[in-house]
Amino acid sequence: AQSVTQPDIHITVSEGASLELRCNYSYGATPYLFWYVQSPGQGLQLLLKYFSGDTLVQGIKGFEAEFKRSQSSFNLRKPSVHWSDAAEYFCAVETGANNLFFGTGTRLTVIP
Amino acid sequence: DVKVTQSSRYLVKRTGEKVFLECVQDMDHENMFWYRQDPGLGLRLIYFSYDVKMKEKGDIPEGYSVSREKKERFSLILESASTNQTSMYLCASSPGHGYGYTFGSGTRLTVV
Repeated sequence: AQSVTQPDIHITVSEGASLELRCNYSYGATPYLFWYVQSPGQGLQLLLKYFSGDTLVQGIKGFEAEFKRSQSSFNLRKPSVHWSDAAEYFCAVETGANNLFFGTGTRLTVIP
Repeated sequence: DVKVTQSSRYLVKRTGEKVFLECVQDMDHENMFWYRQDPGLGLRLIYFSYDVKMKEKGDIPEGYSVSREKKERFSLILESASTNQTSMYLCASSPGHGYGYTFGSGTRLTVV
């Protein structure tokens, strides 16, 4: 069965510092992987996605993610965090039936 | 851009009321989804639909039903609202496998 684990419930970083949010997945086939961001009181916005090919994918707002098949991971990174990046981040895996399974999310706090 | 519109941002209903949550998308997407989001539990799939008049149960369908009479509209129905249905409800649409979802802004429902 498919599942997504985001081991960090809450992360705090200083503005300008680098960021890495962890995501591990379990899925029998080659996964379609996504990262979404949710600002307070809002819906989810797609940051980036991975289907195949280059394992380093670029997204919006300066984010990138790296797919590592051997580790079943799809970690999200940003070199320099801005205060506006404070939000909740969700990793998701899509099955062949267009159903997304989400992790429980990581809340990011950015301190000045 | 694809837009998914949820008719209400905030709703307060009484226990036992019948509640309708409406969702409309404007890009002719085939697939639509309803999730509920609760702290610490992430997003859980309630129902989804791959076509007009078609519906499938997700992971937590109990206490809910849906209606999809037109391609652009997917309604979530709480037949008899209960306090444990107090939650954030998110609607999403997708053109198909591999494209990810576009989410609405959510409806925060409080049942008193």
